[in-house]
Amino acid sequence: KAGVTQTPRYLIKTRGQQVTLSCSPISGHRSVSWYQQTPGQGLQFLFEYFSETQRNKGNFPGRFSGRQFSNSRSEMNVSTLELGDSALYLCASSLGGGHYEQYFGPGTRLTVT
Amino acid sequence: GEDVEQSLFLSVREGDSSVINCTYTDSSSTYLYWYKQEPGAGLQLLTYIFSNMDMKQDQRLTVLLNKKDKHLSLRIADTQTGDSAIYFCADLDSWGKLQFGAGTQVVVTP
Repeated sequence: KAGVTQTPRYLIKTRGQQVTLSCSPISGHRSVSWYQQTPGQGLQFLFEYFSETQRNKGNFPGRFSGRQFSNSRSEMNVSTLELGDSALYLCASSLGGGHYEQYFGPGTRLTVT
Repeated sequence: GEDVEQSLFLSVREGDSSVINCTYTDSSSTYLYWYKQEPGAGLQLLTYIFSNMDMKQDQRLTVLLNKKDKHLSLRIADTQTGDSAIYFCADLDSWGKLQFGAGTQVVVTP
């Protein structure tokens, strides 16, 4: 069974631009969560989607948004990029509905210059 | 918010056992996890334990949970050079999201 895939793997953007990251969960998984990993703040939860609905949201500004499609694939968008948004963005998938094993993708490394 | 804390660094000789410790504060945690991250990679789920269990063993990995002290540990038997990585402890909070520790860098020396 294929694992969680994330595209692109690397991205360089300029301050003020926007970016969209994509995550395809493991087949059959309906829950997708997004995390930001930085050296200073560690791993922080962004949001979680289940069956196209956002169920949880972390403490991030409104510039960070996401969505989930009917095939469970998810995208996250960051608008008006700031230097501090440079990070590894990880997505995790799980079956959802009470199943708590979360499997992570390889991440997207975003660099904002 | 609720915290998960772990020591930052552990050096161990190849063939010895490694023990990584973690403490958490959220008394409502239902599951506790250990993830491994190698350079340039995502997080690999190693094992997890339900909060009503004391111990779980999976091949070379042993997880011990002391719920009274909110202390979790991961023991790796016969540590190999391929075990060099950062290990993250995490708990599942009441909102269903993972709360991670800062990670323990494990360095295995020959």
